[in-house]
Amino acid sequence: DAGVIQSPRHEVTEMGQEVTLRCKPISGHNSLFWYRQTMMRGLELLIYFNNNVPIDDSGMPEDRFSAKMPNASFSTLKIQPSEPRDSAVYFCASSLRFANTEAFFGQGTRLTVV
Amino acid sequence: AQKITQTQPGMFVQEKEAVTLDCTYDTSDPSYGLFWYKQPSSGEMIFLIYQGSYDQQNATEGRYSLNFQKARKSANLVISASQLGDSAMYFCAMREGANAGNNRKLIWGLGTSLAVNP
Repeated sequence: DAGVIQSPRHEVTEMGQEVTLRCKPISGHNSLFWYRQTMMRGLELLIYFNNNVPIDDSGMPEDRFSAKMPNASFSTLKIQPSEPRDSAVYFCASSLRFANTEAFFGQGTRLTVV
Repeated sequence: AQKITQTQPGMFVQEKEAVTLDCTYDTSDPSYGLFWYKQPSSGEMIFLIYQGSYDQQNATEGRYSLNFQKARKSANLVISASQLGDSAMYFCAMREGANAGNNRKLIWGLGTSLAVNP
């Protein structure tokens, strides 16, 4: 299995631009998580989906952030408009839906907003 | 209040020695799971070990073992025979409702940076 695939691996964009991060979960996994990691705040859960349905988006910082999961094999995290404080590493992770299973992480997308 | 506490921001260990990374947790849910992940400098998050609250024995995975003390609400990671490749950040995480039908979010600690000295 190829694991969780994220794209792009690195993204540099100007403030105000729209950014779209993509994730392909492991086939058969029905839970998907979006995380943000910074030195200051550590690892933060932004949103997670079970069976393509958003379950908890309380971690989404503000309306500039949105996430979709149109099908079981694809999810996007969009930031519009982007700001310098959004600079971070964004991880996508997937797991089976049972609570005692580990999540498998993608390689992450390093976002820099200048 | 912090639900997952990792009190050691940084740790050093000599190669081939054992090291214990501390993790304490706080929950009123009798059913929960505890996870440890490793994040090397390359950035990826790697799952290491899992302990369920109802598991009778401490979890072990190769050189990793989890010292689970339920009454103390601690789930320390023990790495035996440290190797240079063990140098990384280590994160403890908890999921409440471990016997729930559907997944719930992981709650993360802030991590411990481990450096293995040759």
